Amino acid sequence: DAGVIQSPRHEVTEMGQEVTLRCKPISGHNSLFWYRQTMMRGLELLIYFNNNVPIDDSGMPEDRFSAKMPNASFSTLKIQPSEPRDSAVYFCASSFGQLLNYGYTFGSGTRLTVV
Amino acid sequence: AQSVAQPEDQVNVAEGNPLTVKCTYSVSGNPYLFWYVQYPNRGLQFLLKYITGDNLVKGSYGFEAEFNKSQTSFHLKKPSALVSDSALYFCAVRVFTGGGNKLTFGTGTQLKVEL
Repeated sequence: DAGVIQSPRHEVTEMGQEVTLRCKPISGHNSLFWYRQTMMRGLELLIYFNNNVPIDDSGMPEDRFSAKMPNASFSTLKIQPSEPRDSAVYFCASSFGQLLNYGYTFGSGTRLTVV
Repeated sequence: AQSVAQPEDQVNVAEGNPLTVKCTYSVSGNPYLFWYVQYPNRGLQFLLKYITGDNLVKGSYGFEAEFNKSQTSFHLKKPSALVSDSALYFCAVRVFTGGGNKLTFGTGTQLKVEL
């Protein structure tokens, strides 16, 4: 299994531009989580899905952020318009089962820089 | 609030010495506890977990953790540290929120193992 796949690995964009981050979870995993990591705030959960349905999006910082999971094998996190304070590493993680008996498997992350 | 705390931002250890990275938790009900490690420019990797059973849990790379219910702690340990163990370590606990389960992570402890 290739693990959780995120793309792109690095993204540099100008303030005001739209940014789309992509995630392919492990096949058979039915829960998907988007996290953001910064030095100042550590790891923050943005949103998570169970069986493609958003369960808790209370961590999404503003309306500029949106996430979708159109099917079990793909999710996107979109920022529109982007701002310099959105610069961070964004991680996607997936898990099997809602009890989280096996924890998460994380992707390698997308390092976003907004200039 | 259900959470975990990692009281040390950084732990320094000489190679060959035992290491301990501390974690305390606050949850209602029986805790599901996890340790993850993050190497530079990588995603978080699962080390070990406690769900039930023996209080001493063994995981990857020679790490182990001891669950202590009376002290609400789940400290990560290794008998003999290696320079290659230098990384960022996260403790996490499962919490139930908004109709589903998620992992809440501590702020992380940077482990530095020196020759």
